[in-house]
Amino acid sequence: DTGVSQDPRHKITKRGQNVTFRCDPISEHNRLYWYRQTLGQGPEFLTYFQNEAQLEKSRLLSDRFSAERPKGSFSTLEIQRTEQGDSAMYLCASSANLYGYTFGSGTRLTVV
Amino acid sequence: AQRVTQPEKLLSVFKGAPVELKCNYSYSGSPELFWYVQYSRQRLQLLLRHISRESIKGFTADLNKGETSFHLKKPFAQEEDSAMYYCGAGGYQKVTFGTGTKLQVIP
Repeated sequence: DTGVSQDPRHKITKRGQNVTFRCDPISEHNRLYWYRQTLGQGPEFLTYFQNEAQLEKSRLLSDRFSAERPKGSFSTLEIQRTEQGDSAMYLCASSANLYGYTFGSGTRLTVV
Repeated sequence: AQRVTQPEKLLSVFKGAPVELKCNYSYSGSPELFWYVQYSRQRLQLLLRHISRESIKGFTADLNKGETSFHLKKPFAQEEDSAMYYCGAGGYQKVTFGTGTKLQVIP
């Protein structure tokens, strides 16, 4: 197991386009998280899955954002009609317990 | 609202000097507390967690429930400790992170 994988590493898109990111967690981890990080800030929680169920979603997450985790394995995060304010590093993390997250390397989104 | 505060954006210390990175939290209930570290060009990784009462790379963190603080300490800083440090508080459903402190160890 090589840890948490995220794809792509970088994404440049035009404003108004849709983008989708993928996260492959550590296989035995049943919990999966998405965070967003902008310059000078800490990771900001977006959403949480336990197996395939999405159990919590940040109120900051607009309707343009949607996440799925079919079959409780990999997860996708889609942003529709991207805006410049969506430019950020999108981090995925997985966990098996309360002992902490294992983070991926992130996907850096730039909206131009 | 849940909040984690790291008051220092940058902390510069000389090699061999003691280090203390401050973290205060505001959280309902009894959250689990964490410190994460991000070295240059690397992913964010767990440094230590309160539940384990451990010392990692010479770092320790003491939970003070009265002051709602979880400061990270190391008696003698090393150059390889230079990194971004994030404090986090939370539970299974999410961890709230602070804005981070950049530790710069001067040779």
